[in-house]
Amino acid sequence: SQKIEQNSEALNIQEGKTATLTCNYTNYSPAYLQWYRQDPGRGPVFLLLIRENEKEKRKERLKVTFDTTLKQSLFHITASQPADSATYLCALSTNAGKSTFGDGTTLTVKP
Amino acid sequence: DAGVIQSPRHEVTEMGQEVTLRCKPISGHNSLFWYRQTMMRGLELLIYFNNNVPIDDSGMPEDRFSAKMPNASFSTLKIQPSEPRDSAVYFCASSTSGGQGETQYFGPGTRLLVL
Repeated sequence: SQKIEQNSEALNIQEGKTATLTCNYTNYSPAYLQWYRQDPGRGPVFLLLIRENEKEKRKERLKVTFDTTLKQSLFHITASQPADSATYLCALSTNAGKSTFGDGTTLTVKP
Repeated sequence: DAGVIQSPRHEVTEMGQEVTLRCKPISGHNSLFWYRQTMMRGLELLIYFNNNVPIDDSGMPEDRFSAKMPNASFSTLKIQPSEPRDSAVYFCASSTSGGQGETQYFGPGTRLLVL
């Protein structure tokens, strides 16, 4: 069966450091992969999308990589800030638009 | 744009009662998704529509759950009868027509508690 694993439920880092979040999957051939941010009591908010034929995408302090051979995506936040503290979800999507979400990683950036 | 609108934001009901959750997608979006989120199971897709037609309802837990989309600007998710294990946050999301690269925009969710 399809499985998505995001690294450790919680990640704590110091302000200014780079946060790296991992998303691994099995038994899935996604057309694209997305990263979302979710704050307590709110719905997920889209951050970045990367397609199966792309290796890397960047947006401001965010960078995502996608290795379809390793079946892994890495999500990086550089120069992290306390405001980056949230839960980050990866989602794998088919061409039909159906998405399967991971359980998320809760990031805490300490000042 | 007002974004995806969900109502009610909170619902407390007793076991056995009927619950109806409502969603208004973003204007111009023609794909709509219903998700359920719990601590134990994370964010699960229940059903999604494209152009008001249900495309995949394989995530609907059982016959107690039903969803409709009578027009492009409105959808409902009904639970009848409700059970305590249905307690969760239910999200509605919408996107432009299905295909590669379609970002989903989530509503604020409905927090349901079944006693």
